[in-house]
Amino acid sequence: GIQVEQSPPDLILQEGANSTLRCNFSDSVNNLQWFHQNPWGQLINLFYIPSGTKQNGRLSATTVATERYSLLYISSSQTTDSGVYFCAVEAEGSGYALNFGKGTSLLVTP
Amino acid sequence: EAQVTQNPRYLITVTGKKLTVTCSQNMNHEYMSWYRQDPGLGLRQIYYSMNVEVTDKGDVPEGYKVSRKEKRNFPLILESPSPNQTSLYFCASSPGQYYGYTFGSGTRLTVV
Repeated sequence: GIQVEQSPPDLILQEGANSTLRCNFSDSVNNLQWFHQNPWGQLINLFYIPSGTKQNGRLSATTVATERYSLLYISSSQTTDSGVYFCAVEAEGSGYALNFGKGTSLLVTP
Repeated sequence: EAQVTQNPRYLITVTGKKLTVTCSQNMNHEYMSWYRQDPGLGLRQIYYSMNVEVTDKGDVPEGYKVSRKEKRNFPLILESPSPNQTSLYFCASSPGQYYGYTFGSGTRLTVV
């Protein structure tokens, strides 16, 4: 099956700093999403982005499908950004199977 | 408010006692699915449904059943729970294959 690798696995930032999270995938995809799992365990959809660039406030994401990677940018980080960020993909022809990476655990300190 | 509602949020049960975790969405989404999240194993798909009366197995379907009799509801049934089904369960829905998913708040299940 498709492999999804996220880096870095852990990240500690001071409030106000910027960061870039990376997601590499091993096959062509027809669906790529970024999620934030907050400290209470809830999974929040940040972006549906199988290709191109999107922005939502302090967050933005870029997927370069031809090179099989996606980036999530967090600017001016806040303590509420803490949690785990997951990249999830559906391989072309795989049906409705969203495969998750292991995540990047982010801690933003005051 | 558009949402996916799971119940219960927390459940402790004993081995072999049948249970159902309910999932309901109010967005008229065609696609619904169930995932479990375990330390070290991440999030894995259990079952999914592309529409009413259409369901299929995901990566880890053993020990689980589902049904989709109405578009809004997709319950997960554990007919004889075992301790290895202790996990955090999530229900998700989306309008279709090329859309983002909305997840429920999760159900933390402990089987003793």
